[in-house]
Amino acid sequence: KQEVTQIPAALSVPEGENLVLNCSFTDSAIYNLQWFRQDPGKGLTSLLLIQSSQREQTSGRLNASLDKSSGRSTLYIAASQPGDSATYLCAVGDSGTYKYIFGTGTRLKVLA
Amino acid sequence: ETGVTQTPRHLVMGMTNKKSLKCEQHLGHNAMYWYKQSAKKPLELMFVYNFKEQTENNSVPSRFSPECPNSSHLFLHLHTLQPEDSALYLCASSQEWRISNQPQHFGDGTRLSIL
Repeated sequence: KQEVTQIPAALSVPEGENLVLNCSFTDSAIYNLQWFRQDPGKGLTSLLLIQSSQREQTSGRLNASLDKSSGRSTLYIAASQPGDSATYLCAVGDSGTYKYIFGTGTRLKVLA
Repeated sequence: ETGVTQTPRHLVMGMTNKKSLKCEQHLGHNAMYWYKQSAKKPLELMFVYNFKEQTENNSVPSRFSPECPNSSHLFLHLHTLQPEDSALYLCASSQEWRISNQPQHFGDGTRLSIL
C-alpha cells in the first residue's frame, strides 16, 4: 500500500532563504507526482506535475525533482518570500489504482 | 479563480439533518472528484466520476451519496452524519481520469461542522 511522507511538518525561515521540502513514498510504481500549495481556508493549487519518466520540472522560483528508484521528490524554492507562506502538499499518482495518495504537508512560514 | 466553484463555503448541521454540497467546474473537464480533508490527516479520496459515471467509491459510508448529473456538476448529499464527519470537503476536476500529464484542479472546499 502506497504511503507518502512529508518532512518537516512545519518550517519557519527568514525571507530570501533558499529552501527544500521533502516528499518520500514507499512504492516506486507511480505514474506521476504533483506538488500543491494550500493557503488557509482555501483549496489546493497545483504547482508542478512531474511524470514518472521525468526527473524534474521548473516553474519560476520553484523546481521539483523526482527520483523514483529511491522513492523521493524534493521541492526547491529559491529566494523565499513572505507570500510563499502556505502548506505544501505532495501527491503521488499510484500506477495500480490511478488514485492520488497525499502526504500530510509541510506548513511553511517565511518571515519578513 | 480556479475554475472549480464549491457551495456553500461553510455548513453547520445537526446529525439528523439532510443537506447537499455542490461543485461546478468551468474547465471542460470530464473527471470530477470528492476528497475529505481532516485536521492532521492526508486528503482522502472519496469518489471519482469520469464522463458522469462513477468509477471509484473508496469505501465511503452510505450516509454520503454522490450525484453527477453531467460532466460539469457534482453533488454530495449528506444525511445522518456523525461528528467525525466534520472536515473540509474538496471537489476537484481533471481532463480525464487516468491521464498522467493533466493536473487536478481544486475548488476552495466546503467547511462542514456536525453538531
